[in-house]
Amino acid sequence: GAVVSQHPSWVICKSGTSVKIECRSLDFQATTMFWYRQFPKQSLMLMATSNEGSKATYEQGVEKDKFLINHASLTLSTLTVTSAHPEDSSFYICSARVRGGSTYTQYFGPGTRLTVL
Amino acid sequence: KQEVTQIPAALSVPEGENLVLNCSFTDSAIYNLQWFRQDPGKGLTSLLLIQSSQREQTSGRLNASLDKSSGRSTLYIAASQPGDSATYLCATPLEVGSEKLVFGKGTKLTVNP
Repeated sequence: GAVVSQHPSWVICKSGTSVKIECRSLDFQATTMFWYRQFPKQSLMLMATSNEGSKATYEQGVEKDKFLINHASLTLSTLTVTSAHPEDSSFYICSARVRGGSTYTQYFGPGTRLTVL
Repeated sequence: KQEVTQIPAALSVPEGENLVLNCSFTDSAIYNLQWFRQDPGKGLTSLLLIQSSQREQTSGRLNASLDKSSGRSTLYIAASQPGDSATYLCATPLEVGSEKLVFGKGTKLTVNP
């Protein structure tokens, strides 16, 4: 149980285009989902916290107009990287907290590798 | 502000060796600490979670310890195997009551046959 999927697993796009990444909780409802970014040889850095039915909360330094997050249902959150540039190339990982579950338990997706040319 | 450090950044050992990975945190008032495994280009697999009231947790060949007073946690891997090769990350909540996790940069472990 507690499986989180991401789609796509990898994507290559041209500079200036937008890319949407989906994060789904497959067998549970997720009130809260988290989006992380990981650069090579670096730790995961939290980008934003996504709550179903409300606006996402972004961490300091993360541009909310560039990284659009939509948490439309209890099983789906999407991250759209708008006008992507090469410096946005990174590994994006989402995690989800079970609805009604522990505040401290997150289940992680397999990640999406974004390469912007 | 909680900060998490992992040393060394990389470790290479021969198969069969017992090894210890280190994780340090700056704020001892933690709620729990979690160890994850990350294979290249993959997401995170949770290995062990230690609550603040616990001193250690065990799962198979893995044993994680927690010493809040010294701000340290260790992950002990017994009888290492090539399949243990991966990056190991530790993480703890930013502060008690927070959902946000703070991660270390990880230790890349290579177990040579």
